[in-house]
Amino acid sequence: ETGVTQTPRHLVMGMTNKKSLKCEQHLGHNAMYWYKQSAKKPLELMFVYSLEERVENNSVPSRFSPECPNSSHLFLHLHTLQPEDSALYLCASSQGTGPSYEQYFGPGTRLTVT
Amino acid sequence: GQNIDQPTEMTATEGAIVQINCTYQTSGFNGLFWYQQHAGEAPTFLSYNVLDGLEEKGRFSSFLSRSKGYSYLLLKELQMKDSASYLCAAMDSNYQLIWGAGTKLIIKP
Repeated sequence: ETGVTQTPRHLVMGMTNKKSLKCEQHLGHNAMYWYKQSAKKPLELMFVYSLEERVENNSVPSRFSPECPNSSHLFLHLHTLQPEDSALYLCASSQGTGPSYEQYFGPGTRLTVT
Repeated sequence: GQNIDQPTEMTATEGAIVQINCTYQTSGFNGLFWYQQHAGEAPTFLSYNVLDGLEEKGRFSSFLSRSKGYSYLLLKELQMKDSASYLCAAMDSNYQLIWGAGTKLIIKP
């Protein structure tokens, strides 16, 4: 247990569906992240929130929409996804966004787009 | 561009020592992280280096050479539970982590 939880753990959705991924951190951290992890590829940073403000959006397609209602919760809303979006989606949190702040990861949501 | 290189896979024997290398090229540099990720689980933090030299933490040590853009993770007295992927990540000038694809370490009895 890292103090970061994610639901659901597994999700299968069609290309026309709308779904949301949820992340919650119980560590009192101020920064939260969404990453995409595909097999044998580096982790891809999707979004960063610091104190509930989005500070980074690494050119992610608009079919992914993040929401951070407070410093403990982070959502990733999904709509009209493509099969290549199938991957493990990891949420992480850290005390801050500066140097030396290690990130604590949740177990991930395994997403399959059919 | 920014890039992290590390071997895809390594095999070692239980009880032995293994060194996993990582080279990085980033726009600015604010430190080098190592994470461990067991299959189907979340990555967990192992070490952080920002100054040149060796940091030792139990059976694991991490080394950094900023001038060479090089780091390694040294695992001693290998145990079967050390079978995992080891992720190298460098923090750039924007405090973003640039990740390698990971090194899958296989431990044989």
